[in-house]
Amino acid sequence: NAGVTQTPKFRVLKTGQSMTLLCAQDMNHEYMYWYRQDPGMGLRLIHYSVGEGTTAKGEVPDGYNVSRLKKQNFLLGLESAAPSQTSVYFCASSDPGTGELFFGEGSRLTVL
Amino acid sequence: GESVGLHLPTLSVQEGDNSIINCAYSNSASDYFIWYKQESGKGPQFIIDIRSNMDKRQGQRVTVLLNKTVKHLSLQIAATQPGDSAVYFCAETAASGTYKYIFGTGTRLKVLA
Repeated sequence: NAGVTQTPKFRVLKTGQSMTLLCAQDMNHEYMYWYRQDPGMGLRLIHYSVGEGTTAKGEVPDGYNVSRLKKQNFLLGLESAAPSQTSVYFCASSDPGTGELFFGEGSRLTVL
Repeated sequence: GESVGLHLPTLSVQEGDNSIINCAYSNSASDYFIWYKQESGKGPQFIIDIRSNMDKRQGQRVTVLLNKTVKHLSLQIAATQPGDSAVYFCAETAASGTYKYIFGTGTRLKVLA
């Protein structure tokens, strides 16, 4: 059982480039989330989805877009990367009937 | 390398001793709390949770205490082991089962041999 899988694990971009992070979960969870984690700060919610075909903004959505075309996948896109988006990104999923969030291993993004 | 965890408060504990990690939560309406462990280069892992109708919950070697009066949560780890070295953080929500989690910044636990 793989749980939550994120790809890629590492990426270096130049300012202005675009990229997509993929999150896949095999637990049939309804809810999926994208967080970013920066030094000295707690996890901050970027976007989330409460079901296939639905997405919503979280706490820090600017500069990111998401899509949930399939229940098991949640994509995070950066259309024009900026150095301020250098961070570690975590995907998580949960079942609305419980409270526990299951996290992926993280994707470290550096924007030069 | 590890960028997560810089500037975090650090608790250093001798191997075999008990550890107590504290968390002050912000929302008096929060009714569900989770402790996570995050090892270097890995995603957060669930340790233990507690609902607001309880003030104590025990797991294997871990105990969570909840004091709603002062909005305080603590994680106690018994007989701390080297494998317990990690960053620990709490999360709270007033709406369990939705997206509305608030995460603390974390405490680094260092286990001394």
